[in-house]
Amino acid sequence: QQQVKQSPQSLIVQKGGISIINCAYENTAFDYFPWYQQFPGKGPALLIAIRPDVSEKKEGRFTISFNKSAKQFSLHIMDSQPGDSATYFCAASNTGKLIFGQGTTLQVKP
Amino acid sequence: NAGVMQNPRHLVRRRGQEARLRCSPMKGHSHVYWYRQLPEEGLKFMVYLQKENIIDESGMPKERFSAEFPKEGPSILRIQQVVRGDSAAYFCASSPRGPGAKNIQYFGAGTRLSVL
Repeated sequence: QQQVKQSPQSLIVQKGGISIINCAYENTAFDYFPWYQQFPGKGPALLIAIRPDVSEKKEGRFTISFNKSAKQFSLHIMDSQPGDSATYFCAASNTGKLIFGQGTTLQVKP
Repeated sequence: NAGVMQNPRHLVRRRGQEARLRCSPMKGHSHVYWYRQLPEEGLKFMVYLQKENIIDESGMPKERFSAEFPKEGPSILRIQQVVRGDSAAYFCASSPRGPGAKNIQYFGAGTRLSVL
């Protein structure tokens, strides 16, 4: 019940396209859902986060869509750029500790 | 305005030695979390600490691993008698508040532990 399932494992998108990464969870007590971006050899950096009382949050080219009834949330990266090539992790929390998805390696082709 | 500082960045140990990983949280942050990332895998929670208190250690292996966050100084993750399976990247994160509030966690650059 503590798992967060993330898909796809890897994603290749053309420059200017939309990248979509999906996550699903089981524990309805989770109340905080962040997305992290990680470059090779670096620590994860917070991109954007959402709480279950809203269905969508947008910051620049990044949007989180949240479906509370389906227990799913997704990250959309609009106008994807080669600099967005990285590994993306979704996570969920309600007790402080973050439960991470398995990660998605995104490659944006020029 | 320094971020979360971890040192060393790289640590090489032989089997049976001890590894000590240090983490200084961001200024004003009193909550520290440790995560482990095995090669090609996601991050797994290990332990959550506040100053002088272990709040949640449900992700810590039962033996050889310990963590502390003293009143003064950095948080320490200690691994005794390391084995090859301990080779991983260990990340520390800090937050200004605990759960129930805006629990934004900021991560350090990690310590990459290699056990020979």
